[in-house]
Amino acid sequence: QVTLKESGPVLVKPTETLTLTCTVSGFSLSNTRTGVTWIRQPPGKALEWLAHIFSNDEKSYNTSLESRLTISKDTSKSQVVLTMTNMDPVDTATYYCARTGAAIDAFDLWGQGTMVTVSS
Amino acid sequence: AIRMTQSPSSFSASTGDRVTITCRASQGISSYLAWYQQKTGQAPKLLIYSTSTLQSGVPSRFSGSGSGTDFTLTISCLQSGDFATYYCQQYYTYPLTFGGGTKVEIK
Repeated sequence: QVTLKESGPVLVKPTETLTLTCTVSGFSLSNTRTGVTWIRQPPGKALEWLAHIFSNDEKSYNTSLESRLTISKDTSKSQVVLTMTNMDPVDTATYYCARTGAAIDAFDLWGQGTMVTVSS
Repeated sequence: AIRMTQSPSSFSASTGDRVTITCRASQGISSYLAWYQQKTGQAPKLLIYSTSTLQSGVPSRFSGSGSGTDFTLTISCLQSGDFATYYCQQYYTYPLTFGGGTKVEIK
C-alpha cells in the first residue's frame, strides 16, 4: 500500500522551530522523478505550497518563506523532513506532505495532514 | 511567482447541474495544470492533471480544458459527493502555486 504520513508536534510556541516528518511507504524516495512536497492550509483558507525535494535531492522553496524553511530526506528511512524556524501564530495550519509520481508531476498522493497550532 | 486566480470563489448548485469553474494563470503555463477536490476535514485529492487527463478512478463526469493562461473544470452532472472545494495548481515552474479555491455548495 502506497501511503504518506505526517508527524510532528501539535503545539509550538512563537519563535520556536517546527520540525515535521513525512514517512512514506510503498515507494522509494530514490525512484526517478519521484518527489515530495510540503503544503499547508490555515483553518478555512486555501492551500499554500511550501517546499519540494526531488529524487536527485534538489530542493525548491516558497520564495516568501525560503529563509525559514529547510527540506531534507533520508532515503534509507523513507522520510522527508521539513523545518520551519521562528514560528508565529499565523503559521497555524494543517501541514500536508504529498508525492509527485514518476509519470505525473502533479500531487497524486497526499498524507492525511497534521494540524499545528502556534500559541504561547 | 505565477498567480492562479479561480472564479467564482463559491457558488450554490443542485444535484444534476452542469457546473464550470475557471482558473486563470498570470502567465502562460502550457498545459501544466492540475485540479484537486477537497472535502471538509480531508486531504485534497487529485482529479485532473495535464489540464485534461483524468486521474485513475475519477468519474468521467469530471473534465478539464484550456491551455496557456485560461483553464476550466467542468462537472457534467453534479452528484451529492461532489459538493466540496476545488483547487487548481500550476506545475509549469517553481515556486508551485495554487488557486484560492472554489467552494461548491448545495442549493
